[in-house]
Amino acid sequence: NAGVMQNPRHLVRRRGQEARLRCSPVKGHSHVYWYRQLPEEGLKFMVYLQKENIIDESGMPKERFSAEFPKEGPSILRIQQVVRGDSAAYFCASSLGTSGSSNQPQHFGDGTRLSIL
Amino acid sequence: AQSVAQPEDQVNVAEGNPLTVKCTYSVSGNPYLFWYVQYPNRGLQFLLKYITGDNLVKGSYGFEAEFNKSQTSFHLKKPSALVSDSALYFCAVRVRLNSGYSTLTFGKGTMLLVSP
Repeated sequence: NAGVMQNPRHLVRRRGQEARLRCSPVKGHSHVYWYRQLPEEGLKFMVYLQKENIIDESGMPKERFSAEFPKEGPSILRIQQVVRGDSAAYFCASSLGTSGSSNQPQHFGDGTRLSIL
Repeated sequence: AQSVAQPEDQVNVAEGNPLTVKCTYSVSGNPYLFWYVQYPNRGLQFLLKYITGDNLVKGSYGFEAEFNKSQTSFHLKKPSALVSDSALYFCAVRVRLNSGYSTLTFGKGTMLLVSP
């Protein structure tokens, strides 16, 4: 069973470029979460998606950031016009149901390390 | 605000000794608590969770955690540490989002270093 797959593992962009981060959830999981991890900090929730729907994006910056989880294909986190402060590790997690359910831990990918030059 | 706190940035322990990684929480209602471990350049791996029931929860790799409601704590423990346990450990709690759905909020993490 493949776990959560994220690619690329490392992404380097220059300021002003666009960054696209992809996440394929565990097979059968329909709930996807994106988190950002800054150095020496814990993970911060960004957005929660189900297939074709953004459920909650309260942790995502209002500008330049967007996310989608289409009916077919991986979930995409898109950052437009990147700035140095976007440098971080971005993690995707998936679950069978919402993480509020008692038996539904989130399964994490290995992350994408984004570096902005 | 619902949150967890990990008061120690780093815990050092000798191999074979017991280890404790501390976590305290602040939530309204009954807490759903989790521990995850992160190895270098990897994602988080689920270790164990407390939802309800016994206060002592057993998880992966010989780890366990004790839920203490009066002290609002959920400390991670292991009777005998291994060098391979050296990693970054995160405590997390379920939080309700504005949408009514839930996700996890994490502590800052505690680096565990086990010396041979």
